[in-house]
Amino acid sequence: QKEVEQNSGPLSVPEGAIASLNCTYSDRGSQSFFWYRQYSGKSPELIMFIYSNGDKEDGRFTAQLNKASQYVSLLIRDSQPSDSATYLCAVNSNAGNMLTFGGGTRLMVKP
Amino acid sequence: GAGVSQTPSNKVTEKGKYVELRCDPISGHTALYWYRQSLGQGPEFLIYFQGTGAADDSGLPNDRFFAVRPEGSVSTLKIQRTERGDSAVYLCASSAGTNNEQFFGPGTRLTVL
Repeated sequence: QKEVEQNSGPLSVPEGAIASLNCTYSDRGSQSFFWYRQYSGKSPELIMFIYSNGDKEDGRFTAQLNKASQYVSLLIRDSQPSDSATYLCAVNSNAGNMLTFGGGTRLMVKP
Repeated sequence: GAGVSQTPSNKVTEKGKYVELRCDPISGHTALYWYRQSLGQGPEFLIYFQGTGAADDSGLPNDRFFAVRPEGSVSTLKIQRTERGDSAVYLCASSAGTNNEQFFGPGTRLTVL
């Protein structure tokens, strides 16, 4: 079982819709959770991080964390074609400072 | 301000050769990480430095891989006797350490022929 799991997609949404990206993790000791965006041929770019259960909003992005269910999600409101990218979920466990990444979900926003 | 920089951006080498990949972190960031990413996968952790010392090298795949950070800033990842399976994008990230937010450089694409 992978430590951090994401649906590889592609997830296709129309422009202006809400895109919902999901991630589950296996280590109950995980402390912090990160979402990165990666355009094709580029390196990961940090979008958001979350530590506490509940929602955290930043502009069009909302991260949601449920530690009991070991689930973290990213909502993108008013999706734009420029949001089309691979979204990587990363988890920082209790064991160290490194991040464990999921395989990423490819998002396609169609005009 | 300047982000993380990595050189070279691309490196093509032959099987069995030695390569060095360089990372220059964000100024003032004490933590530095190396990851590698294969096509279609998320980055995989290799090694983490806090200051000059390797705090965690548990991700290095074997003893052909080694990394240094002698002055607590620039780091070099060294790969001996390269193999075709080493081909990947090698990513460096740095962090100020407060919330462990890690910021990635553009990566070095290594191709071993």
